[in-house]
Amino acid sequence: GAVVSQHPSRVICKSGTSVKIECRSLDFQATTMFWYRQFPKQSLMLMATSNEGSKATYEQGVEKDKFLINHASLTLSTLTVTSAHPEDSSFYICSARQSGELFFGEGSRLTVL
Amino acid sequence: KNEVEQSPQNLTAQEGEFITINCSYSVGISALHWLQQHPGGGIVSLFMLSSGKKKHGRLIATINIQEKHSSLHITASHPRDSAVYICAAGLGGAGSYQLTFGKGTKLSVIP
Repeated sequence: GAVVSQHPSRVICKSGTSVKIECRSLDFQATTMFWYRQFPKQSLMLMATSNEGSKATYEQGVEKDKFLINHASLTLSTLTVTSAHPEDSSFYICSARQSGELFFGEGSRLTVL
Repeated sequence: KNEVEQSPQNLTAQEGEFITINCSYSVGISALHWLQQHPGGGIVSLFMLSSGKKKHGRLIATINIQEKHSSLHITASHPRDSAVYICAAGLGGAGSYQLTFGKGTKLSVIP
């Protein structure tokens, strides 16, 4: 079946630094990828929809300048958390659809010190 | 906006028990997804349903479109089934698919 790979799985960074998370579709082309954030014991919250070759669509309340999304190819979308702060510490996960089915990356647990 | 309600929130079962998790949604959908989230955070898609019933191993998912209700059943539950099960209502087409997630059901299966 289709596979979505996400990297890194865990990252710890200092406050004020930027962190990049990669999401790759390994055996299919994904024109659209979705980025979610999940705080402990809460539901997945859609942050943005990443569209290959065009600007991402952000959900209300998500800062575009803080969470930079780049979808430069049909197999790679990246999420960069800029000037990270402790409140950005969370679990970030990407997904893509193929033939209607959902495929998720492994997730990235970000801790900002 | 679709509202997705799951029940129960938490469920503890003895190994071997038959388990049912319920999901209700408020507006029409394109498909209903059942997801499994492991303690480490990884998410696996179990089922995508638009009508009827699907079975995969010990897992069975059903949906009643008229009643806007879906159930996930696990037969002969096993400790490795312990996870959070999430239903998600999907609406839209290829470029604009919107998912609304339930809050999840945390299942613990005790040996």
